[in-house]
Amino acid sequence: ETGVTQSPTHLIKTRGQQVTLRCSSQSGHNTVSWYQQALGQGPQFIFQYYREEENGRGNFPPRFSGLQFPNYSSELNVNALELDDSALYLCASSSPRAGGETQYFGPGTRLLVL
Amino acid sequence: AQTVTQSQPEMSVQEAETVTLSCTYDTSESDYYLFWYKQPPSRQMILVIRQEAYKQQNATENRFSVNFQKAAKSFSLKISDSQLGDAAMYFCAYRSAQGNEKLTFGTGTRLTIIP
Repeated sequence: ETGVTQSPTHLIKTRGQQVTLRCSSQSGHNTVSWYQQALGQGPQFIFQYYREEENGRGNFPPRFSGLQFPNYSSELNVNALELDDSALYLCASSSPRAGGETQYFGPGTRLLVL
Repeated sequence: AQTVTQSQPEMSVQEAETVTLSCTYDTSESDYYLFWYKQPPSRQMILVIRQEAYKQQNATENRFSVNFQKAAKSFSLKISDSQLGDAAMYFCAYRSAQGNEKLTFGTGTRLTIIP
């Protein structure tokens, strides 16, 4: 167990809806990264938050947005859901102070868009 | 942009034997980190081993070791004394030492352990 938690574990939505996924980082970690993993693929970087500010973004449209809170937990919001958004969403936490180059992953949220 | 290639979609090995998973990457940077992550059916991505590019010595973690060839941009994972619990998807990942900490992953290798 890494100490990174995510909720919910599974989610079913329909096209056009909006969804919010949540992540609690490992104690002492101030950086959270979000990844999308389509079936049979490696994870793709969505964005990263460091001390409540976005600190880099991958090739995802603006309808993917996020937040980080003062306790370093984070949310991923996806608006106007599309069928291709069906995937496993992973969050990972890290800390620049303690082996910051290593990211520790949560168990993921499986999103299905119908 | 950096890319990571895993050319073996599937591998299998007899229990207690040794298996090597391949990974190559492309980068123009000299300072970076490389990782192997394991993803069992439970979906959680688990760190197996990491390597700092500035270190010449290959990383080792119990039964897991890497063969890091910086000039060839190759980073293979060797699993010794394979166990049933090693069955999983294995992903190779790259992280620059500069900028944000995004990981670039390969497409993965599915490892099956034959009892």
